[in-house]
Amino acid sequence: KAGVTQTPRYLIKTRGQQVTLSCSPISGHRSVSWYQQTPGQGLQFLFEYFSETQRNKGNFPGRFSGRQFSNSRSEMNVSTLELGDSALYLCASSPGRWNTEAFFGQGTRLTVV
Amino acid sequence: KNEVEQSPQNLTAQEGEFITINCSYSVGISALHWLQQHPGGGIVSLFMLSSGKKKHGRLIATINIQEKHSSLHITASHPRDSAVYICAVVPYNNNDMRFGAGTRLTVKP
Repeated sequence: KAGVTQTPRYLIKTRGQQVTLSCSPISGHRSVSWYQQTPGQGLQFLFEYFSETQRNKGNFPGRFSGRQFSNSRSEMNVSTLELGDSALYLCASSPGRWNTEAFFGQGTRLTVV
Repeated sequence: KNEVEQSPQNLTAQEGEFITINCSYSVGISALHWLQQHPGGGIVSLFMLSSGKKKHGRLIATINIQEKHSSLHITASHPRDSAVYICAVVPYNNNDMRFGAGTRLTVKP
């Protein structure tokens, strides 16, 4: 069974631009969650999607958004990029809700210059 | 005060030593995860616990729900165990995950 796939692995963007990251969950998994990891703040929850619906959202500005498609693949978008958005963005998929095991992707390392 | 506290922050051990990493949390939870992150970023879920104890190879994880505390033990540590170990909790009636700051483990040959 293929694991969680995130694309691209690395990305360099300029301040003010927008970016879209993609996450393909494990086949059959319906829950996809996104996280931001920075040296200063550690890992922080961004949002969770289950069956195309956003179920929960972390404490991030509206510039951070996401969606989930009918095949469970998910995208997250960050608009008007700031230097502080430079981070490792991780997604995780689960078969159900959070009382089930989470499987993480390798992450997308975003650098904003 | 963070909702999830881990100790120690850094740990250096000699190969073969028994290692314990601790996690305390302050919220009611439905599950606790132990995660491993190697350089390069990828995260692997080691355990998901809601009660008791789980064992996988040389790794053992325990949780005490009443005391809001969990431990991760590594027996006969090996240099390949060198990584950051992260405790994460899932609060009741919520579907986010709250993370500890991580414990950086270095096992020397």
